[in-house]
Amino acid sequence: NAGVTQTPKFRVLKTGQSMTLLCAQDMNHEYMYWYRQDPGMGLRLIHYSVGEGTTAKGEVPDGYNVSRLKKQNFLLGLESAAPSQTSVYFCASTRGTRAYNEQFFGPGTRLTVL
Amino acid sequence: KNQVEQSPQSLIILEGKNCTLQCNYTVSPFSNLRWYKQDTGRGPVSLTIMTFSENTKSNGRYTATLDADTKQSSLHITASQLSDSASYICVVSAGSSNTGKLIFGQGTTLQVKP
Repeated sequence: NAGVTQTPKFRVLKTGQSMTLLCAQDMNHEYMYWYRQDPGMGLRLIHYSVGEGTTAKGEVPDGYNVSRLKKQNFLLGLESAAPSQTSVYFCASTRGTRAYNEQFFGPGTRLTVL
Repeated sequence: KNQVEQSPQSLIILEGKNCTLQCNYTVSPFSNLRWYKQDTGRGPVSLTIMTFSENTKSNGRYTATLDADTKQSSLHITASQLSDSASYICVVSAGSSNTGKLIFGQGTTLQVKP
């Protein structure tokens, strides 16, 4: 099992450019999440999905869109990148929401917006 | 507002020594508390998960405690090793959530020196 994988690992964008981050999991998990991690702050939830074809907004959704067309994939899109979106992005997945269901994280994507 | 606060922000100890990291939370209703380890440049990895009925849980040299009355948790690391150098994140799940959403602390950065 590869677990949770993310592509790309690094990316540099210019302000106004668009891009898509891909998250894939091979654990047949229903729930998937996108977080961003900024220095001195805890991980913050951008968007999440409780199943194939469903998405919902998290704590900091502005400027991002997501899609979950296939159960194993969760895509995060930046339509018009801004310097404030410079961050490390983590994807996570879990089987369910019961207490002992662990969230498994991907290795992260480091994004810089100039 | 649901919050998770960790202390200290950073810590330096010598190899072989013990240390204790602290976590205070104001999350209601409480479901479970997790400690994650995040190595530099990697995604967080779960160390322990505790529900309100559990006071302590161990994972090798890591022992987490939970006091649901005072809303405090600690992570004790015994006989530290160089590989323990990482960020340790306290995470709380709210009981009312059926979406698996988690509330993250900002982390404690631990450096173990030889």
